This record gives sequence, structure tokens and C-alpha cells, in this order.
Amino acid sequence: GAGVSQSPSNKVTEKGKDVELRCDPISGHTALYWYRQRLGQGLEFLIYFQGNSAPDKSGLPSDRFSAERTGESVSTLTIQRTQQEDSAVYLCASSLEGLASLQYFGAGTRLSVL
Amino acid sequence: SQKIEQNSEALNIQEGKTATLTCNYTNYSPAYLQWYRQDPGRGPVFLLLIRENEKEKRKERLKVTFDTTLKQSLFHITASQPADSATYLCALDQGNTGFQKLVFGTGTRLLVSP
Repeated sequence: GAGVSQSPSNKVTEKGKDVELRCDPISGHTALYWYRQRLGQGLEFLIYFQGNSAPDKSGLPSDRFSAERTGESVSTLTIQRTQQEDSAVYLCASSLEGLASLQYFGAGTRLSVL
Repeated sequence: SQKIEQNSEALNIQEGKTATLTCNYTNYSPAYLQWYRQDPGRGPVFLLLIRENEKEKRKERLKVTFDTTLKQSLFHITASQPADSATYLCALDQGNTGFQKLVFGTGTRLLVSP
């Protein structure tokens, strides 16, 4: 596609439920990132995928968060047993391999945990 | 501790004036710094990247400076227009990590009045 696509655009869930967020990166982009942005805050790094290398999960806030990526395509971010503090916009970005590559962002998924 | 600071207060300026936004950082040694624009409900959009060995970078009405001694980057928009109204985020790499793990500031909201 022309840009990074994320779905759903909005998700409302009840506390304790699991949610799955999807990201389709730009074709040919080997690097994929997930960020969390709370209201009025900056972007908080969650996880990074680069090709077939082991992902960098150092930003995941708890073991309730996990992410997978199929090859160099779609990625899913799963949040288990959601809590109210998980409410935020979850942004996905992709970039070409190499240093100093700029990141292209999707529009994000706005997650609201009631 | 490591910090990236951007003025959290909105910057209000009149159309035609130059807007100057500041990004200060502490306890980082970035190889490069990026500026992004974020509109409400959208993901950030890359604007400019400046490397540690560059003092200044320009793109159309945009200018970025990078002072590694002061640990500061300035972002200028000349001849500002109402369409420039948005939140502007700076981001820097954590250096020596081998991949682009960007750390973002919280952003400064710019409002350009006609």
C-alpha cells in the first residue's frame, strides 16, 4: 500500500479483555516499530522488528503485552487482560533498513479501556 | 537521568512571522536528531533529520540547527502559515545501538493565527 495502515482505528474494550491491534507496513520496509502515545504525551517505544533478527522488546511495559511479525509484513500487537492505564493511541511505524532511516507512521489505533 | 524537553506550552504566533521551537536533551549522545509534525488524530510525519556533524539543515521554509555542545536543537518555520498549526516532535537516537531506536519529546503545539 501507499502508507502504513493500522486497524482498527478505534477500539473500545472492557477491563480484563484481550485486544489485538494490526499494522500493515509499507511494502519493502524491513523495520517495524510499535509506540504508545498517551494523551498529551510523547511517543513511548514498545517494540522493534528488523528483518529476521530477534525483536527488541525492551519497551514492552509488562508481560501482558506481546507482538508478532510475519516475515517483513503484517505485525500484531496483543494486550492481554487490559487495564484502564492501557488506554492510549498505539502507533506503528516502518522504515527502510539502515541507519538514520526516517520512520513512516500509521494513523494509530485509539484504545479505550472502560 | 535521560530527558528530552520540549516546551509543553503552546506557541502562538501571527501568520508571516518566524516560529522557533526548542528541543533540549540531557544525558544522550545522539548521532542524529529528527523533527516530526503531528496533526490531531494522525501519526507523526517526518520533516527533517540533522546529523551530529551538521550545524544546520534547511528544507523550503524549515530550518533546523543542532548544537551538540548545548545539547539543543532549534526548529524554525519562516513565513508561517495557519496550515503550519500542529504539534512538532523532536526525536533522537539513543546512539550506538545499531538501530534507530528513537526517543521522542512530548512535542510543542504551534498555533499560527491569520
